[in-house]
Amino acid sequence: KAGVTQTPRYLIKTRGQQVTLSCSPISGHRSVSWYQQTPGQGLQFLFEYFSETQRNKGNFPGRFSGRQFSNSRSEMNVSTLELGDSALYLCASRNGNLAEMGYGETQYFGPGTRLLVL
Amino acid sequence: QQPVQSPQAVILREGEDAVINCSSSKALYSVHWYRQKHGEAPVFLMILLKGGEQKGHDKISASFNEKKQQSSLYLTASQLSYSGTYFCGTSVRGNEKLTFGTGTRLTIIP
Repeated sequence: KAGVTQTPRYLIKTRGQQVTLSCSPISGHRSVSWYQQTPGQGLQFLFEYFSETQRNKGNFPGRFSGRQFSNSRSEMNVSTLELGDSALYLCASRNGNLAEMGYGETQYFGPGTRLLVL
Repeated sequence: QQPVQSPQAVILREGEDAVINCSSSKALYSVHWYRQKHGEAPVFLMILLKGGEQKGHDKISASFNEKKQQSSLYLTASQLSYSGTYFCGTSVRGNEKLTFGTGTRLTIIP
């Protein structure tokens, strides 16, 4: 099976702009989670989508939003970019069906999108 | 609340052993271990579930102490390829969200 893919891999934006990142999960996976990774904070959870619905949300401002499409592909949007938004944005996928998989199912990460805000 | 990993960094010579710990103040249901090399995505190593036994994969194994809410990752006879940053991700019962520790940077030198 092909792994998780993310596009674009690199982005340079300026403060105030907005950006949209895309994630395609492993075939058959219906859950996509997004993380922000910075040297100081490590992996911070943004949100998780399952079957087009946001199932979990981290502690990020409303400038960070996401959505999921019927084919399980997900997009993450950041509006009004700030310098502090510079980070590696990772998405991870898993089956996500709790009735089928239970809790504790592991997830598989994509290569990430490195965002630099100038 | 983030799990706490220790040590934050460690340097070993090839062939030496390492132990990385992951502790939580919450009652854990699962612990997931990942390794991330510089510029790459985190790669899944193993998962431990509450009530489960110690897991192993080649010379990398892990345990889960439910009394202490702590998991330990053991790397024996370390190889150069083991270098990277190791993360633990934890979940609690009833919530499938993973919360990650800040990572342990492992450097293996020849």
